[in-house]
Amino acid sequence: DGGITQSPKYLFRKEGQNVTLSCEQNLNHDAMYWYRQDPGQGLRLIYYSQIVNDFQKGDIAEGYSVSREKKESFPLTVTSAQKNPTAFYLCASRDRGRSIETQYFGPGTRLLVL
Amino acid sequence: AQSVTQPDIHITVSEGASLELRCNYSYGATPYLFWYVQSPGQGLQLLLKYFSGDTLVQGIKGFEAEFKRSQSSFNLRKPSVHWSDAAEYFCAVGEYGNKLVFGAGTILRVKS
Repeated sequence: DGGITQSPKYLFRKEGQNVTLSCEQNLNHDAMYWYRQDPGQGLRLIYYSQIVNDFQKGDIAEGYSVSREKKESFPLTVTSAQKNPTAFYLCASRDRGRSIETQYFGPGTRLLVL
Repeated sequence: AQSVTQPDIHITVSEGASLELRCNYSYGATPYLFWYVQSPGQGLQLLLKYFSGDTLVQGIKGFEAEFKRSQSSFNLRKPSVHWSDAAEYFCAVGEYGNKLVFGAGTILRVKS
């Protein structure tokens, strides 16, 4: 079945450690997005990519990095510079040929700091 | 900058009762407006959207929403709530560059 997968479901980070969250889609979508969700704050955009080998910062990019080497993959690295990384992270993708709203979301990864 | 306000953090309704979740937006032009639903620990599912035309839009699961330009609102409604509707609901506005700006969400609890 087509869809978006995120792994792992739960991730634990030690102080000073970089961790990478995986996002894979087999929908043949060009655009991919990373959101951070905190209780009572909704979703905030971290990074997005409209096409392979290109990405833009969102509203809260500091302390995060991404790459887009393949169309189906958009991994997010939470670096040690991100001082408050505990959150629920959601990946989404969209077909650039369709209107904005058709972002399909993955099941999310919950990141916890030890 | 564009913004979305959902004034109610939590709402509790009895099963079978009607529901209205409020959403107000700030946007310079005609907005693209959306409602998403999220079950605990899950991703988001699109309920409905408004781009233009008829200001009353129908969505999935029996939900509807009405766009009121004069009030900058896009409230979500359902005539009869089911226990399975308990979830968190997010209103969002589409921004230039194909980004979505989300409200803080409203958690719906359903009493049996």
